[in-house]
Amino acid sequence: NAGVTQTPKFQVLKTGQSMTLQCAQDMNHNSMYWYRQDPGMGLRLIYYSASEGTTDKGEVPNGYNVSRLNKREFSLRLESAAPSQTSVYFCAGGGWAEDTEAFFGQGTRLTVV
Amino acid sequence: AQKITQTQPGMFVQEKEAVTLDCTYDTSDQSYGLFWYKQPSSGEMIFLIYQGSYDEQNATEGRYSLNFQKARKSANLVISASQLGDSAMYFCAMREAITGTASKLTFGTGTRLQVTL
Repeated sequence: NAGVTQTPKFQVLKTGQSMTLQCAQDMNHNSMYWYRQDPGMGLRLIYYSASEGTTDKGEVPNGYNVSRLNKREFSLRLESAAPSQTSVYFCAGGGWAEDTEAFFGQGTRLTVV
Repeated sequence: AQKITQTQPGMFVQEKEAVTLDCTYDTSDQSYGLFWYKQPSSGEMIFLIYQGSYDEQNATEGRYSLNFQKARKSANLVISASQLGDSAMYFCAMREAITGTASKLTFGTGTRLQVTL
């Protein structure tokens, strides 16, 4: 039982390059989320998807796009990476609305140079 | 807007002792949930414990308990009998409904706990 799987685990990009972070969950949750973690700031919500086919902005959506391909997969795309997007990115599967345990992926450490 | 405050950037505790990590929150919602997550140096986020706003009893999960004081808007994590493996960053978070079917977690800035011999 993998839970939430993110790829890649590490990535270095040059400013202006694009990339997609992949996330897949096998827990049948309707809701999925992308967070970023920066030192001293906790985790901040980038985008979320309440159900298959829907996506909405969170607190810090600028510079990102998302795609909820199906119930299992929720990808995060950086169209033109900037050094300010250097961060650790976490995907999570829902459960919070049902007050149950929510699962996070292992995280992607992204560096933009 | 909801807010979570963790005022202890770092804490030290001796092995086998108990430690309390502080968390206060601010919300105007009547229904909410409070979570604690552990993040070891390896980086993953590990769910520890959950408390619902209508739960009358404090949540417990093994060595973890949540000291929930609703009137004071605090949800402190108590770790009993600390172990070296408890050394990690700990995050308090609050569930906030954002649509009828989805919620988000708002996180505090975290407390780094170091367990010493």
